[in-house]
Amino acid sequence: DTGVSQNPRHKITKRGQNVTFRCDPISEHNRLYWYRQTLGQGPEFLTYFQNEAQLEKSRLLSDRFSAERPKGSFSTLEIQRTEQGDSAMYLCASSDTRKGLAGVGHTGELFFGEGSRLTVL
Amino acid sequence: EDQVTQSPEALRLQEGESSSLNCSYTVSGLRGLFWYRQDPGKGPEFLFTLYSAGEEKEKERLKATLTKKESFLHITAPKPEDSATYLCAVQPPSDYKLSFGAGTTVTVRA
Repeated sequence: DTGVSQNPRHKITKRGQNVTFRCDPISEHNRLYWYRQTLGQGPEFLTYFQNEAQLEKSRLLSDRFSAERPKGSFSTLEIQRTEQGDSAMYLCASSDTRKGLAGVGHTGELFFGEGSRLTVL
Repeated sequence: EDQVTQSPEALRLQEGESSSLNCSYTVSGLRGLFWYRQDPGKGPEFLFTLYSAGEEKEKERLKATLTKKESFLHITAPKPEDSATYLCAVQPPSDYKLSFGAGTTVTVRA
């Protein structure tokens, strides 16, 4: 098990261009989350998948953002027509909701990748 | 809406100087409170989950405690390698996603 993998690690783009990030979760984890983190702030929730179904999207996720998780394995996060305000670290995390704690259910332990840093010029 | 407030924003310690970080939260019910460590340019690394008031968990020089309104992360006799940003997050009973605080950046000088 190599952990959550994200690429590219760094992306510099010009305003108006499209970018795509990829996340490979820990194998057999059924949940996959995308978060965004700006300097000096904690991660902010964007969206999550259970298997291939996208179950929730934050209002932070404008129409320019789209995420997919085909076949319930890796996920992609695409940002269209990037803006300078999109500059941030994009974090992916995965978890296994089938593991519980004495019947309590999902422990909530999210395993994060190293992140993809986006700079929009 | 869930709110998580961490204090102080930054903490500078001498090696061996013990201290505590605070995480206060407002959430309608609590499934769990989580502590993560984040090194510069890297993703958060899981440390602890606390589920109920009075619970304590330890890992090396770190000890996390939980009350009904806040959690503390105690760092005992810190070393320079404990320098990092420590993030607190809450999970409501109705959901699995985490809401994070802004973090406390700890710097330990030798």
